Amino acid sequence: EIVLTQSPATLSLSPGESATLSCRASQSVSSYLAWYQQKPGQAPRLLIYDASNRATGIPARFSGSGSGTDFTLTISSPESEDFAVYYCQQRKDWPITFGPGTKVDVK
Amino acid sequence: EVQLVESGGGLVQPGGSLRLSCTASGFTFSNYWMSWVRQAPGKGLEWVANIKQDGSEKYYVDSVEGRFTISRDNTKNSLYLQVNSLRAEDTAVYYCARRFGSGSVFDYWGQGTLLTVSS
Repeated sequence: EIVLTQSPATLSLSPGESATLSCRASQSVSSYLAWYQQKPGQAPRLLIYDASNRATGIPARFSGSGSGTDFTLTISSPESEDFAVYYCQQRKDWPITFGPGTKVDVK
Repeated sequence: EVQLVESGGGLVQPGGSLRLSCTASGFTFSNYWMSWVRQAPGKGLEWVANIKQDGSEKYYVDSVEGRFTISRDNTKNSLYLQVNSLRAEDTAVYYCARRFGSGSVFDYWGQGTLLTVSS
């Protein structure tokens, strides 16, 4: 099973301060990595797929990069609605696995 | 507008059974792989099962293999998860999700249904 590790566990930001979230895989997942956002009481929302492709309707301030085992989600100048938990997910191998999440909150 | 609406959750005793349902609208249901993903209270996401468009292929996470069964009825635009031999660790919100493109990326999710396993 491919294990995904996310860091930091919590990221405290001032509004407008860019965020860099990390996801590391226990073995290569090529570019088969996605990012999701989840707000309290809501279902996850797909942000990025295949490492760097924004999903439909996702603002350009969200960007993804990386390949192999190391990936980054960047939120440029977060807005208030961006404070949430972010999960990475790999689809390279069965079973599909998710990272434990990074909570982005207001400093 | 794509919509996925789950139902069927509730309180079940350990060892019990339940069937979760998901009704889809706003897209051609029979064209998509579908999945169940769960989230224990205060925890992260765990993929549970996938089913191919025609139901001919099914995949499960090891922890539910042999206890859970995913199925679908394309005439009713519905996805199901039969959950048997329930354990306390199966307590979670169960989400129905549409698989996007050729791989297991989930582009639409329902609001979830809570299954609680407790005596």
